[in-house]
Amino acid sequence: KQEVTQIPAALSVPEGENLVLNCSFTDSAIYNLQWFRQDPGKGLTSLLLIQSSQREQTSGRLNASLDKSSGRSTLYIAASQPGDSATYLCAVMLNFGNEKLTFGTGTRLTIIP
Amino acid sequence: ETGVTQSPTHLIKTRGQQVTLRCSSQSGHNTVSWYQQALGQGPQFIFQYYREEENGRGNFPPRFSGLQFPNYSSELNVNALELDDSALYLCASSPFNYNEQFFGPGTRLTVL
Repeated sequence: KQEVTQIPAALSVPEGENLVLNCSFTDSAIYNLQWFRQDPGKGLTSLLLIQSSQREQTSGRLNASLDKSSGRSTLYIAASQPGDSATYLCAVMLNFGNEKLTFGTGTRLTIIP
Repeated sequence: ETGVTQSPTHLIKTRGQQVTLRCSSQSGHNTVSWYQQALGQGPQFIFQYYREEENGRGNFPPRFSGLQFPNYSSELNVNALELDDSALYLCASSPFNYNEQFFGPGTRLTVL
């Protein structure tokens, strides 16, 4: 059974700092990994999708890396801003065509102005 | 292009009642998945529908059921509500065999 873990559960950093969020998964035979952002009480916004054959993806100030063999992914946020405050969730898809996503419990990020 | 929409936004029910939640998929998407997200937890997969047929189910009891309509919109029905059913219910759509899912804003269900 695939399990996804995100550590730490909560993180507070001063505005302007670079930071890294971690995600680990137990079954390395994934098809892809997706990072999401969730504001309180809201739905999920997709940030980055990494295919199993890829090592990283970038979008603006965000960079996500994937090391499938070790079962780890990181989300790097550069020059953090108060608007980045949210919960960040990672999710893995096991097989192509099996669109079930298995989620971690998220990291609640607070950027201190 | 209209994104995924869900209704209602919020709902309050009492234990034992039944509830129906609705989801309109993004234009061109024929697959809909439902997730339950309890407070402080990650979303848990309930089931998925493709072309009006259930295409996979998570570890949820039969009182959780669903429908998909010819226009690919979907309903989630929960019978005999329990207190633990209180959660944010998320709907996601995608074209079949396309690996990125697009989520709606969710329905907050409170069971008293």
